[in-house]
Amino acid sequence: SQQGEEDPQALSIQEGENATMNCSYKTSINNLQWYRQNSGRGLVHLILIRSNEREKHSGRLRVTLDTSKKSSSLLITASRAADTASYFCATGIIQGAQKLVFGQGTRLTINP
Amino acid sequence: EPEVTQTPSHQVTQMGQEVILRCVPISNHLYFYWYRQILGQKVEFLVSFYNNEISEKSEIFDDQFSVERPDGSNFTLKIRSTKLEDSAMYFCASSERTGDHEQYFGPGTRLTVT
Repeated sequence: SQQGEEDPQALSIQEGENATMNCSYKTSINNLQWYRQNSGRGLVHLILIRSNEREKHSGRLRVTLDTSKKSSSLLITASRAADTASYFCATGIIQGAQKLVFGQGTRLTINP
Repeated sequence: EPEVTQTPSHQVTQMGQEVILRCVPISNHLYFYWYRQILGQKVEFLVSFYNNEISEKSEIFDDQFSVERPDGSNFTLKIRSTKLEDSAMYFCASSERTGDHEQYFGPGTRLTVT
């Protein structure tokens, strides 16, 4: 797989349920960032987790990072219809200025 | 809340024409980036810019591309002679510092080359 691969590619759940999306990567990273993109719109930054962190919370979001397995997960609790979007993980690799390497994304649909 | 802005939101141009995409990064940010997303594909890094020079560029960023910070607020991406395959959404991003810092993205410019 390539750097920053999300799993699953698509996820459809009922409103109120929790949604879990996974991301795997191959190279060493400095951090991992999650973004949301509504259809055809810009990328909204959700959360950054550094390589020396294992878990981070922000509101209904919980992100974990396992550098030994080179994987991360994004959990959205108590999902809402407004959470319907594509979610991307992006690995931060510092070579001079930091560049982000994005995955293909998970398309999340919350059904009312 | 400060945000990255981009203009225009949509640009249609003919093959071979020059286009300039404009971005206004967040005011206290020092690092600037361009990414692109071809329809249905991943977001791809193009170039990073700091202290008025390119820090890093990808293989996509060939001689047809250039970036400039013409004044204290704007950051531009120029494509000299557009090709059909340049059709994509182009995102500008900025970050306060390098290292472990968030990159904030603008809403994007959809470039359509006909």
